[in-house]
Amino acid sequence: LAKTTQPISMDSYEGQEVNITCSHNNIATNDYITWYQQFPSQGPRFIIQGYKTKVTNEVASLFIPADRKSSTLSLPRVSLSDTAVYYCLVTNAGNMLTFGGGTRLMVKP
Amino acid sequence: DAGITQSPRHKVTETGTPVTLRCHQTENHRYMYWYRQDPGHGLRLIHYSYGVKDTDKGEVSDGYSVSRSKTEDFLLTLESATSSQTSVYFCAISESVATRLDEQFFGPGTRLTVL
Repeated sequence: LAKTTQPISMDSYEGQEVNITCSHNNIATNDYITWYQQFPSQGPRFIIQGYKTKVTNEVASLFIPADRKSSTLSLPRVSLSDTAVYYCLVTNAGNMLTFGGGTRLMVKP
Repeated sequence: DAGITQSPRHKVTETGTPVTLRCHQTENHRYMYWYRQDPGHGLRLIHYSYGVKDTDKGEVSDGYSVSRSKTEDFLLTLESATSSQTSVYFCAISESVATRLDEQFFGPGTRLTVL
């Protein structure tokens, strides 16, 4: 599966929009982009998944350009409770999930 | 939240002793997984199961064994614990891997310290 690269950490303030970009240059045709969120002392939880263009749910939006070599997770109007580690994964049905180091988001008041 | 429990939640043990961690699910999901999480490494897959008595190795399986005698229980055993196995262990479940979503649901974790 394609390796992903994302920033190690990001800081933001309450009420701001946060965009976390992930690169996956070697993504294959059948791969999807999936994001998980992990709060301190908890297991990760699924946030969003997409294949191309834009996907939006109640938690976040995911933007994927036409070449699919990168993706951006967008969190609208973050709050302190959005402080977490966000993992970008390239996934393919039938294969195991591979977690990288993730992006540690710190939301400040 | 998905019905996943892990026991114990915390354990301190000594080098060379056997340790068994238990994952219990009430979702009747077919797939179960054991991960370990260490600082700077994200989560790494140790073993997984795709059915009762059907298991396979993950990325970091050395020093670990697993068993699944019932759909709801997945046991992880450290036959002879070493300090390098000090970590946080997460169990996860999924309904299927043959779907686009392949969402995994994670348990609360077990913090294991090997002295």
